[in-house]
Amino acid sequence: NAGVTQTPKFQVLKTGQSMTLQCAQDMNHEYMSWYRQDPGMGLRLIHYSVGAGITDQGEVPNGYNVSRSTTEDFPLRLLSAAPSQTSVYFCASRPAGDRVKNEQFFGPGTRLTVL
Amino acid sequence: DAKTTQPTSMDCAEGRAANLPCNHSTISGNEYVYWYRQIHSQGPQYIIHGLKNNETNEMASLIITEDRKSSTLILPHATLRDTAVYYCIVRGAAGNKLTFGGGTRVLVKP
Repeated sequence: NAGVTQTPKFQVLKTGQSMTLQCAQDMNHEYMSWYRQDPGMGLRLIHYSVGAGITDQGEVPNGYNVSRSTTEDFPLRLLSAAPSQTSVYFCASRPAGDRVKNEQFFGPGTRLTVL
Repeated sequence: DAKTTQPTSMDCAEGRAANLPCNHSTISGNEYVYWYRQIHSQGPQYIIHGLKNNETNEMASLIITEDRKSSTLILPHATLRDTAVYYCIVRGAAGNKLTFGGGTRVLVKP
């Protein structure tokens, strides 16, 4: 299994541009989520999904959209990039039946810079 | 979810045990303690979790005090590859999110 993959690895945007960060997993995990990590800080939850067609907001959802049309993919869209969105973005997944252990598998991250 | 408090950083000698403390004095009865670590520039990695009893797996041991207000993660024989930021997280079993605080930056020295 490839696990959780994210593309691109690095991205530079100008203020106001939009883009989509891709996340895919091949473990048939129902639960997927997006986090951002600012320098020297812990991760903060942006959005999550408990299955195809179901999404919900985390603690920092403003400026981001998500959709979940398939089990495998969970893209994160930046509507109009702002310098405050400069961060490292991590995607994670776990099986639905694993709620107690909650072993989330994280991707390698996308490093985004907004100028 | 209960808040956790961890030391900002600590050093450990290679081959020795590393004991990482975590305070969670407001933990409620149905909340679990989780430990994740993040090696530089990588995504976090699950280590272990527990409710009341001490737990051990191939990576580490988790010791939870009887009143559950604090816990200690033990890396029995630290290696250079254990250098990472370690996050202690408290979460209810029904919750969907992990709340990562600042963590403890552990540096394993030769």
